[in-house]
Amino acid sequence: ETGVTQTPRHLVMGMTNKKSLKCEQHLGHNAMYWYKQSAKKPLELMFVYSLEERVENNSVPSRFSPECPNSSHLFLHLHTLQPEDSALYLCASSHGRDRANYGYTFGSGTRLTVV
Amino acid sequence: DQQVKQNSPSLSVQEGRISILNCDYTNSMFDYFLWYKKYPAEGPTFLISISSIKDKNEDGRFTVFLNKSAKHLSLHIVPSQPGDSAVYFCAASGYGGSQGNLIFGKGTKLSVKP
Repeated sequence: ETGVTQTPRHLVMGMTNKKSLKCEQHLGHNAMYWYKQSAKKPLELMFVYSLEERVENNSVPSRFSPECPNSSHLFLHLHTLQPEDSALYLCASSHGRDRANYGYTFGSGTRLTVV
Repeated sequence: DQQVKQNSPSLSVQEGRISILNCDYTNSMFDYFLWYKKYPAEGPTFLISISSIKDKNEDGRFTVFLNKSAKHLSLHIVPSQPGDSAVYFCAASGYGGSQGNLIFGKGTKLSVKP
């Protein structure tokens, strides 16, 4: 366990479904991130939250909707996804975001399959 | 356009020999570099890092070398062990705002044969 917990570990959903991914950290970090890992592609940064405020949205389609109710929890709400959205979704956290000096702590990810 | 490039998708090495994983970057604003290791079904875990004020950082069997003029870094693992078999991601960041985010390469899958 890294201290960042993601649930569920695996998710299969239809294109008309609505589901949510959950991330939780109790490391005292104040920045949280969603990354997407697709086959043969770099880890793609999707969203950045700092002190519970969204500070970045990297041109992510509106069918992905993040939520950060407090500094320990981060959600990714999914609706009307496409098969090409199938990927490993990784949550990470860090001390602040001005500097990635200490790197990020990642969760184990949610393997999402859209059918 | 990829700012962090790992051009070798895979590398196979014999146990006990040296593994060298390479990474190139294009953004001259990057000044901090990290290597992450990822096993299947797990998230990436931090391995080693280097600041641009250094050209080498060593931690046990792992050494990272940075060549700023060539915008190139490499990770050396000596001696390689079967447990080192994993995907290795190179990451880079700059200072402040968006530059502070970690930008990752595609990863290199290392296989260490017994």
